[in-house]
Amino acid sequence: GAGVSQSPSNKVTEKGKDVELRCDPISGHTALYWYRQSLGQGLEFLIYFQGNSAPDKSGLPSDRFSAERTGGSVSTLTIQRTQQEDSAVYLCASSLAGLAGTDTQYFGPGTRLTVL
Amino acid sequence: QKEVEQNSGPLSVPEGAIASLNCTYSDRGSQSFFWYRQYSGKSPELIMFIYSNGDKEDGRFTAQLNKASQYVSLLIRDSQPSDSATYLCAVNNNAGNMLTFGGGTRLMVKP
Repeated sequence: GAGVSQSPSNKVTEKGKDVELRCDPISGHTALYWYRQSLGQGLEFLIYFQGNSAPDKSGLPSDRFSAERTGGSVSTLTIQRTQQEDSAVYLCASSLAGLAGTDTQYFGPGTRLTVL
Repeated sequence: QKEVEQNSGPLSVPEGAIASLNCTYSDRGSQSFFWYRQYSGKSPELIMFIYSNGDKEDGRFTAQLNKASQYVSLLIRDSQPSDSATYLCAVNNNAGNMLTFGGGTRLMVKP
């Protein structure tokens, strides 16, 4: 079946503007994750959704970042008042059940965000 | 100290050789370990996962886990130029479901 999809693939914005990034997980996957990867850096966890449970927001770098997941499927990551340091590739991943320690995450193609 | 450490490389091996990629982690409670491959400009793709001590083989790839030494490795036999990529080690611990990634090792396989 289809993999994780993300949109847009590229986003260029001006400093101070808000942006929304979308993730559509693999059908049937209940867990959804957001990560970001800055140039030449490893992946940094941002937020995790599991079913209808409250999301794990422990990785969000500031209160300018928020995410929601509607209907247990599609997720939107919103960055308000973007800063140049927000420039990165934002990756979404999903997994089947989100069972601690036993689940495999599959990544989408990412959204490359550039803040001018 | 970073939670998951990898040598950034580049690791250069000739075609047909064995490439050995190493990863250490700091959290003894870590349960599962993943190797992802990431080509330049692309998203990570899963190669293997391992949960138990010992070796796990899948085709040309072998993952090795030693929890006592907090060490996980990936061996690539008969390396091909198409294996040239950055290999990311990721660890899932008891604290949550997110993966903690190492910085990645860049592998170059020369024809």
